[in-house]
Amino acid sequence: NAGVTQTPKFRVLKTGQSMTLLCAQDMNHEYMYWYRQDPGMGLRLIHYSVGEGTTAKGEVPDGYNVSRLKKQNFLLGLESAAPSQTSVYFCASRPGGTIYEQYFGPGTRLTVT
Amino acid sequence: SQKIEQNSEALNIQEGKTATLTCNYTNYSPAYLQWYRQDPGRGPVFLLLIRENEKEKRKERLKVTFDTTLKQSLFHITASQPADSATYLCALKAGNNRKLIWGLGTSLAVNP
Repeated sequence: NAGVTQTPKFRVLKTGQSMTLLCAQDMNHEYMYWYRQDPGMGLRLIHYSVGEGTTAKGEVPDGYNVSRLKKQNFLLGLESAAPSQTSVYFCASRPGGTIYEQYFGPGTRLTVT
Repeated sequence: SQKIEQNSEALNIQEGKTATLTCNYTNYSPAYLQWYRQDPGRGPVFLLLIRENEKEKRKERLKVTFDTTLKQSLFHITASQPADSATYLCALKAGNNRKLIWGLGTSLAVNP
């Protein structure tokens, strides 16, 4: 099992450009999450999904959109990137129900200039 | 405001000693608290979960305690090894909230 994978690992964008980050998990997990991690801010939840076809806003959703068309994939989109979105982005998943531990991907380091 | 606090200063200890990390919270009625390990450039890795009605949990050299009166969790690594050097994050789920609230993490360095 590959676990949780993220594509790409690194990306540099210019202000105003768009991109999609892909998260894939092969553990048949119900719940998936997108976080960003910034120095001094810790992990902050952007959006999450409790099942295929569902999404919900987290703590810092502005400027991001998500889709969960397939259970194994969770996409994070930036429509018009801003320097404030420079961060490390982590995807995570968990089985659901009463199993609460989250499994994280390796992260995507995004720089917006 | 609701928040979680972990030791902001790095913890340096000698190999073989017990490392103790602290996670304090305010204004929450916790359902459970989790501890994760994060190495530089990598995603967090789950270590242990302790529920509100549990006082202590153990896994190999790891031990977590949870005191809901003090609003504090302690994370212990016994017989520490240089390979235990990492940042340790605590994350709390309040009873009425679907999301985890994360601490900023404490950096642990175990010196040989």
